[in-house]
Amino acid sequence: QSVLTQPPSASGTPGQRVTISCSGSSSNIGSNTVNWYQHLPGTAPKLLIYSNNQRPSGVPDRFSGSKSGTSASLAISGLQSEDEADYYCAAWDDSLNVFVVFGGGTKLTVL
Amino acid sequence: QVQLQQSGPGLVKPSQTLSLTCAISGDSVSSNSAAWNWIRQSPSRGLEWLGRTYYRSKWFNDYAVSVKSRLTINPDTSKNQFSLQLNSVTPEDTAVYYCARISDYIGAIDYWGQGTLVTVSS
Repeated sequence: QSVLTQPPSASGTPGQRVTISCSGSSSNIGSNTVNWYQHLPGTAPKLLIYSNNQRPSGVPDRFSGSKSGTSASLAISGLQSEDEADYYCAAWDDSLNVFVVFGGGTKLTVL
Repeated sequence: QVQLQQSGPGLVKPSQTLSLTCAISGDSVSSNSAAWNWIRQSPSRGLEWLGRTYYRSKWFNDYAVSVKSRLTINPDTSKNQFSLQLNSVTPEDTAVYYCARISDYIGAIDYWGQGTLVTVSS
């Protein structure tokens, strides 16, 4: 099971705003920044958000991230059909067992 | 633009060694501002970070406790690539394996390989 907790699914209609949550603990989200990835099956995951709320060059500003305490969220506004994908959160972990931990992924469906 | 190209077999027999290679273009395995990682994904375990290698005046390696006794990650500076060797595999090691770069500048995994489905089966 994944260390970070995400809802398994989310959905919205074109133009809507959807949010995906990611819950962790004091050793990961509580003390480190959160990154978000978009993953289409058969392709390499794509970095969407880093350092909680920063977008890499080329990522539309429809995607935004936030963090509070041991939880984080990814928001997608102006939903488009091409946004249908799996979304994962990730964070460094201060435990000695592992360097980075991931969420279980959220399958976003555009209705 | 950094690109990571993975290669290696898709089928490994139980108790044998799983070996994968990740060829780097657009960056150097010896970079002082990047770390080179292996990550796997399976339905039962989700995304799981396995380990990394990086160069900061000398080479360092870190491994997840869950695989530490079986995993070796090696850089190959002559070919600008790095490799994964996982010993004594079982069907539980069946997964899609990814190589990935962590950039010190943004503190995130910013580039991933295309993924390799490795099945452990006799």
